[in-house]
Amino acid sequence: GIQVEQSPPDLILQEGANSTLRCNFSDSVNNLQWFHQNPWGQLINLFYIPSGTKQNGRLSATTVATERYSLLYISSSQTTDSGVYFCAVEGSYNTDKLIFGTGTRLQVFP
Amino acid sequence: GAVVSQHPSRVICKSGTSVKIECRSLDFQATTMFWYRQFPKQSLMLMATSNEGSKATYEQGVEKDKFLINHASLTLSTLTVTSAHPEDSSFYICSGSGTPNTGELFFGEGSRLTVL
Repeated sequence: GIQVEQSPPDLILQEGANSTLRCNFSDSVNNLQWFHQNPWGQLINLFYIPSGTKQNGRLSATTVATERYSLLYISSSQTTDSGVYFCAVEGSYNTDKLIFGTGTRLQVFP
Repeated sequence: GAVVSQHPSRVICKSGTSVKIECRSLDFQATTMFWYRQFPKQSLMLMATSNEGSKATYEQGVEKDKFLINHASLTLSTLTVTSAHPEDSSFYICSGSGTPNTGELFFGEGSRLTVL
């Protein structure tokens, strides 16, 4: 099945810093989503981005499907950005299943 | 986005008992819902695909007799962990796509199961 790797696995930032999270996937995809998992476990939808670039406030994401990667940019980080960020993909050949990446654990300190 | 609600959010039970977790789609009809499991500090692993009116499809390595899934209506899917044991302690989370189905999945709040 499709493999989804995220980097870095852990990231520690001071408030105000910018960061880039990467998601690599091993096969072509129909869909790709980015999530933020808060300390209570809830998954917050950030972006639905099978291709192209989207922005939402301090967050933006870019997916280059032909090169099999996606990037999540966080600018001017805040302590509330702390948590785990997951990308998840639906492979073109195994549709209707969203497979999660390994995750990036982000800690933002004041 | 679509709203998915799970209940209970936390459950503690004794070893050997069965536990039922409900997943409801509040503002859309879900012909398909997905159940995931997450162990501490790990990613989410797909357990099964729940299909309204038919049998669930389980991922490799997931025991269908252990994790019973029922999807009797377009707004409710249930996961029953039968004869739970401590190794079944985990975070269980369900998801569905809205109407119209754009392919984007929305997740419930999750249910944390602790088996003593």
